[in-house]
Amino acid sequence: GNSVTQMEGPVTLSEEAFLTINCTYTATGYPSLFWYVQYPGEGLQLLLKATKADDKGSNKGFEATYRKETTSFHLEKGSVQVSDSAVYFCALRGSARQLTFGSGTQLTVLP
Amino acid sequence: DAGVIQSPRHEVTEMGQEVTLRCKPISGHDYLFWYRQTMMRGLELLIYFNNNVPIDDSGMPEDRFSAKMPNASFSTLKIQPSEPRDSAVYFCASSFAVLGGYTFGSGTRLTVV
Repeated sequence: GNSVTQMEGPVTLSEEAFLTINCTYTATGYPSLFWYVQYPGEGLQLLLKATKADDKGSNKGFEATYRKETTSFHLEKGSVQVSDSAVYFCALRGSARQLTFGSGTQLTVLP
Repeated sequence: DAGVIQSPRHEVTEMGQEVTLRCKPISGHDYLFWYRQTMMRGLELLIYFNNNVPIDDSGMPEDRFSAKMPNASFSTLKIQPSEPRDSAVYFCASSFAVLGGYTFGSGTRLTVV
């Protein structure tokens, strides 16, 4: 079946540092890939997505590239801000209709 | 668009009581999902609907849980009787079409004492 493996957290960075959160997946066929962000006390919000190999999703300075050869969708940001502190979830949607989520990575950015 | 609306935001109930969680999806979305989030188990899919029809309820933990979607604009998740281990945040999400991303509600934090 489908599965998503995320980098273990928590991750703590200083403001303006470079961020990478690793995500790899297992799926049959050609899934769509997503990153969601959850701020404290809120629901998950779609951050970015990619629907086919080599697509790059981007939003709010975050980027992730769909790498089919390495089955990866790593999240990156060049310069994080305190306001980026949240939990980040990698997810895929394959032939089944539901999203399969990773376990989430807690990010804390210190001023 | 007001987004996915869940109610109540918080619910505290005693063990053995019936609990009903409510969800209004985004108008025009044809898929609706119920998830449960806990520290120990992360996000778990409980059930999802397509065009108001339940498609996969294999994630519903046991017969105490039931979900309905009487029309395209409303769904309920009911727990009867509730137990302390049901304490979690319950999220509803909706989406349009097969490969779209989800829009999540703000969740209902359920505490069973």
